[in-house]
Amino acid sequence: GEDVEQSLFLSVREGDSSVINCTYTDSSSTYLYWYKQEPGAGLQLLTYIFSNMDMKQDQRLTVLLNKKDKHLSLRIADTQTGDSAIYFCAHDGETGKLIFGQGTTLQVKP
Amino acid sequence: DAGVIQSPRHEVTEMGQEVTLRCKPISGHDYLFWYRQTMMRGLELLIYFNNNVPIDDSGMPEDRFSAKMPNASFSTLKIQPSEPRDSAVYFCASSLRGASTYEQYFGPGTRLTVT
Repeated sequence: GEDVEQSLFLSVREGDSSVINCTYTDSSSTYLYWYKQEPGAGLQLLTYIFSNMDMKQDQRLTVLLNKKDKHLSLRIADTQTGDSAIYFCAHDGETGKLIFGQGTTLQVKP
Repeated sequence: DAGVIQSPRHEVTEMGQEVTLRCKPISGHDYLFWYRQTMMRGLELLIYFNNNVPIDDSGMPEDRFSAKMPNASFSTLKIQPSEPRDSAVYFCASSLRGASTYEQYFGPGTRLTVT
């Protein structure tokens, strides 16, 4: 199967850490991705992780991959109001397309 | 590069009219994708092309929808006749198969309203 599941909504206070979770069913992925969509805009790649890695850190972003449990997470440290957006996880398949989750809306309260 | 270009950015039309959405992918990219996004259904892949050839159109909702890619730098998504339930934001995205990842670059979208 190609399902990707995410929780729909997360609310945090400015300065806190945010953790957005994702589960997937297809274990043949080479890369897994996190995209960010700001209001009125298209999706933009935030970060990605190679499937044989457990963790990737990029400034305030930490991606954790548990391949055994097919679980991907995105941690945003010191969350800012500018981080308010919809976050999509995705994985690739053999056919060149990406399979996206339904997106998690992150609300950051001042 | 200017990124993926879509036009128009906004389209308002009456039910029954023909609508044509346009996309110019990033130069050199060999994959092109059309998505639809609504509150109810989220992000849906409608169709995608590789080297101008449609690979998978299983996401196209019905025969009223058609997509073409006459050359590597242009694609259209046509809805004829349009219906109010087609109201959505339509995104075009492109990617390069030879790159290390399948990263897709999205356009800004066309917001379609059918009244």
